[in-house]
Amino acid sequence: DQQVKQNSPSLSVQEGRISILNCDYTNSMFDYFLWYKKYPAEGPTFLISISSIKDKNEDGRFTVFLNKSAKHLSLHIVPSQPGDSAVYFCAASARVNSGYSTLTFGKGTMLLVSP
Amino acid sequence: KAGVTQTPRYLIKTRGQQVTLSCSPISGHRSVSWYQQTPGQGLQFLFEYFSETQRNKGNFPGRFSGRQFSNSRSEMNVSTLELGDSALYLCASSPRQGIGNTEAFFGQGTRLTVV
Repeated sequence: DQQVKQNSPSLSVQEGRISILNCDYTNSMFDYFLWYKKYPAEGPTFLISISSIKDKNEDGRFTVFLNKSAKHLSLHIVPSQPGDSAVYFCAASARVNSGYSTLTFGKGTMLLVSP
Repeated sequence: KAGVTQTPRYLIKTRGQQVTLSCSPISGHRSVSWYQQTPGQGLQFLFEYFSETQRNKGNFPGRFSGRQFSNSRSEMNVSTLELGDSALYLCASSPRQGIGNTEAFFGQGTRLTVV
């Protein structure tokens, strides 16, 4: 049972345009969400996160939007650059007694930004 | 500050053999989590160690085990290897237990190929 779903395996965008990566989740206990970026032959690197008490978080060209009622979040990259070409993973966690649970990841979306 | 170090980077093993992978977390980080990444399944949680104790375990068979030493370094072991164990094994370190609300720092991974 996939609790975090990234339904688009890949996305192609032209340089300078907006990239929108989507993520849906099913577990209503999730209340913290993160995006990771992964280049080939490297480990994932943290990009941006959002707590469930917010609906938007911005960091430079990257903005994450959270719609709790729809159990949906999205990552916007504006403007997209060729160096953004990578696999993007959406991850979620839930608050537990000892703090937060481990991360549950989606399967990833491969973003290709062409010049 | 040195990042998360995983050794070896690449490994080729034969079916039925066993393998041990190593992870040295960022200095001062006490939590180490292991993930398996395969093309079809994304990142799947294996287990989390904090202060030498396994705190969480994912849905993997008993052939997968791990441990953490007093210096926070961690090892994971896979016995009786199967072809389906071929994957990228990623280690993530975090200062606190339950990495879900912190930006976990990932190593580059160990690419295991079972033939």
